[in-house]
Amino acid sequence: EIVMTQSPATLPVSPGERAILSCRASQGISSNLAWHQQKPGQAPRLLIYGASTRATGIPARFSGSGSGTEFTLTISSLQSEDFAIYYCQQYYNWPRTFGLGTKVEIK
Amino acid sequence: EVQLLESGGGLVQPGGSLRLSCAASGFTLSSYAMSWVRQAPGSGLEWVSSVTGSGSSSFYADSVKGRFTISRDSSKNTLFLQMNSLRVEDTAVYYCANHVVTARETYWYFDLWGRGTLVTVSS
Repeated sequence: EIVMTQSPATLPVSPGERAILSCRASQGISSNLAWHQQKPGQAPRLLIYGASTRATGIPARFSGSGSGTEFTLTISSLQSEDFAIYYCQQYYNWPRTFGLGTKVEIK
Repeated sequence: EVQLLESGGGLVQPGGSLRLSCAASGFTLSSYAMSWVRQAPGSGLEWVSSVTGSGSSSFYADSVKGRFTISRDSSKNTLFLQMNSLRVEDTAVYYCANHVVTARETYWYFDLWGRGTLVTVSS
């Protein structure tokens, strides 16, 4: 099983600042990585797939990068609606696995 | 509007059974690969099961293998998850999600998510 490790667990950020979230895979997964956003009481929402492709309707302030084992999600200028938990997910191997999440909170 | 809507959750005793449904609207479910993902209270996301677009192959997490069965009814445009021998640790919100399928391949990132249905296993 591929273990996905996200850091930090919690990221305090002021509105308008940039947030950088990291995700590491325990083995190479090429670009088979997605990022999902989840707000309290809501279902997750796909943000990024293929490590760097934004899903339909996702604002340009969200960007993803990386390949192999190291990945990054960058939110260029945090808006109030961006405070949420972000999960990375690999779809290179079965079982599909998620990281434990990074909570982006208001500083 | 394109959406997925889960139902069928509820309170069940350990050892009991439950069948979850995921109704698709705005698209044809049989044209997509589909999955179930769950989230225990206060925890992260855990993949449970997937079925290919053709329906010919299904996949299960070790934690549910032999107890859960994924299936779908094209005439009802609905995905199901039959859950037997339920355990306390199966308590979670269960989400269904779809995966884009092209002539070349299936893209196994979770694309569209439903709102989830809560399953509580307790005596």
